[in-house]
Amino acid sequence: ETGVTQTPRHLVMGMTNKKSLKCEQHLGHNAMYWYKQSAKKPLELMFVYSLEERVENNSVPSRFSPECPNSSHLFLHLHTLQPEDSALYLCASSPKPGQITEAFFGQGTRLTVV
Amino acid sequence: RKEVEQDPGPFNVPEGATVAFNCTYSNSASQSFFWYRQDCRKEPKLLMSVYSSGNEDGRFTAQLNRASQYISLLIRDSKLSDSATYLCVVNPPAGSYIPTFGRGTSLIVHP
Repeated sequence: ETGVTQTPRHLVMGMTNKKSLKCEQHLGHNAMYWYKQSAKKPLELMFVYSLEERVENNSVPSRFSPECPNSSHLFLHLHTLQPEDSALYLCASSPKPGQITEAFFGQGTRLTVV
Repeated sequence: RKEVEQDPGPFNVPEGATVAFNCTYSNSASQSFFWYRQDCRKEPKLLMSVYSSGNEDGRFTAQLNRASQYISLLIRDSKLSDSATYLCVVNPPAGSYIPTFGRGTSLIVHP
């Protein structure tokens, strides 16, 4: 039990599909993050939310749309993705907004775009 | 120069060996530093923070050299279970929201 739960764990979608990734944290943290991890590349930060407000959007294409309805839940809405978007998508949370003093990661959603 | 650089490896060592990884960072105003461990097809997990004076946790020792802008991780008496990818993480100066991960160093410990 990591305290950060992501669903689904695996997702295969076509380029015309619309899907959503879900993240839930039970740690009482105030900051949540979406990261993308592609093969042989470092983790890439996509979005940061602090107290439900997006504080960072790291030049992510608009086909990725985040949503943070409350401090415990974070979504990543996906539409018209490309095959190069296939990757492991990791959600993380941390106690302190603005910096990862100690981040806890979910187990990730392994996404394949066909 | 990349913000955070790590030798991707793999480092292939026998059980019982001592192995060290370095990680260099480019922003001299970086605030704090961490080592994370990521097992194959799993999420990263915090291994240890890195303090200015250096710190030790069992077989693991982390050190920070601000003058030369690098951090290191030393693993003594390697175990098979230490096989993983070790990620260096650098927190930015206060006011920024983007911690930077290195690409990771792969360690393989063999019998």
